[in-house]
Amino acid sequence: NAGVTQTPKFQVLKTGQSMTLQCAQDMNHEYMSWYRQDPGMGLRLIHYSVGAGITDQGEVPNGYNVSRSTTEDFPLRLLSAAPSQTSVYFCASRKSRGDYGYTFGSGTRLTVV
Amino acid sequence: QKEVEQDPGPLSVPEGAIVSLNCTYSNSAFQYFMWYRQYSRKGPELLMYTYSSGNKEDGRFTAQVDKSSKYISLFIRDSQPSDSATYLCATPNNAGNMLTFGGGTRLMVKP
Repeated sequence: NAGVTQTPKFQVLKTGQSMTLQCAQDMNHEYMSWYRQDPGMGLRLIHYSVGAGITDQGEVPNGYNVSRSTTEDFPLRLLSAAPSQTSVYFCASRKSRGDYGYTFGSGTRLTVV
Repeated sequence: QKEVEQDPGPLSVPEGAIVSLNCTYSNSAFQYFMWYRQYSRKGPELLMYTYSSGNKEDGRFTAQVDKSSKYISLFIRDSQPSDSATYLCATPNNAGNMLTFGGGTRLMVKP
């Protein structure tokens, strides 16, 4: 059981480039989310999904897209990277509606120059 | 004002001390409360979660919620150097779709 796996671990992008952060979980969890963690701001929700084919926006969705074609995968796309998107990104999942215990991945550290 | 607040620390204690970590929150609708531990350059790891008011114990860790004062605490007994990490409190919205986190308290346990 690998849990929540995120790739890559580190990435440097130039302003305007696009990229996809990958997230996969092997726990058959229904719910998946993306958070970003910034000094002084804590962890903030970007997008979330309550099941395959269903996604919704969180607190800070601008500049990001998501899709959920399978239960296991929940990629996060940066459309046109900006320095303000320099952050550590965490993917998280939880089993079902009544279970609030999220499992987090180990993060992707992204720098936009 | 943030919905969940924590003193950022750092909090430095000697090995074996009892540690008290605290959060306050502003929204009385919050029902569930969680503590996560985050080691440097790692993802948050769920330690404990509690519902409503009262205490919950798990080994050396005790979580306490006082809804009347909107205060959440995590106590660590017999603290170890391996407990050195940032501790985050969090609470979900009613739908459970979003966790609101405090900013975290950095704890250092010195041998």
